[in-house]
Amino acid sequence: RKEVEQDPGPFNVPEGATVAFNCTYSNSASQSFFWYRQDCRKEPKLLMSVYSSGNEDGRFTAQLNRASQYISLLIRDSKLSDSATYLCVVNIGGGGNKLTFGTGTQLKVEL
Amino acid sequence: GAVVSQHPSWVICKSGTSVKIECRSLDFQATTMFWYRQFPKQSLMLMATSNEGSKATYEQGVEKDKFLINHASLTLSTLTVTSAHPEDSSFYICSARDQDYGYTFGSGTRLTVV
Repeated sequence: RKEVEQDPGPFNVPEGATVAFNCTYSNSASQSFFWYRQDCRKEPKLLMSVYSSGNEDGRFTAQLNRASQYISLLIRDSKLSDSATYLCVVNIGGGGNKLTFGTGTQLKVEL
Repeated sequence: GAVVSQHPSWVICKSGTSVKIECRSLDFQATTMFWYRQFPKQSLMLMATSNEGSKATYEQGVEKDKFLINHASLTLSTLTVTSAHPEDSSFYICSARDQDYGYTFGSGTRLTVV
């Protein structure tokens, strides 16, 4: 089983739609969680951290369910510029503080 | 915010040659940097953790003699792909962790070995 699993998509949605992505992680000791955005042939950029209480940043809402080891990202009123690959990222902590990346979910927002 | 500069952006080299990639933290000191590799349509895979002043820690399956890492200062880590072959062609990305801004990534290096 992969450490971080995501549906690769692609998800094709019309502009203005609301879309949700899910991610599961296997290590229950994981300590911190993130969603990153990666455009084609570019480096990943932090979209938002994810907290158990849920957090919102504009049109983006992230949720963490530790019991189910499940992370979600909701994008409201999607824009053409939201087209990208969204990476679910987990840090299991410890001395290395290494990030483990999911394979990413590709989103295409269309007119 | 924290900035990580990575060079070169892309490189094409002949099979058998070595390629050096540089990763610099521009406005913060990074005792630890991370090197990733990403093949098309795949996730970022951690290759090694670069530690300033000591040996890098390599992930399982990554050949340390092939991927040489040097982290001689608090702002610079280098990855040298030695005797590169076409199967080493990939997108290589470095990352550094800053106390205030978390993990920041370099812009990546696209290596093509012909």
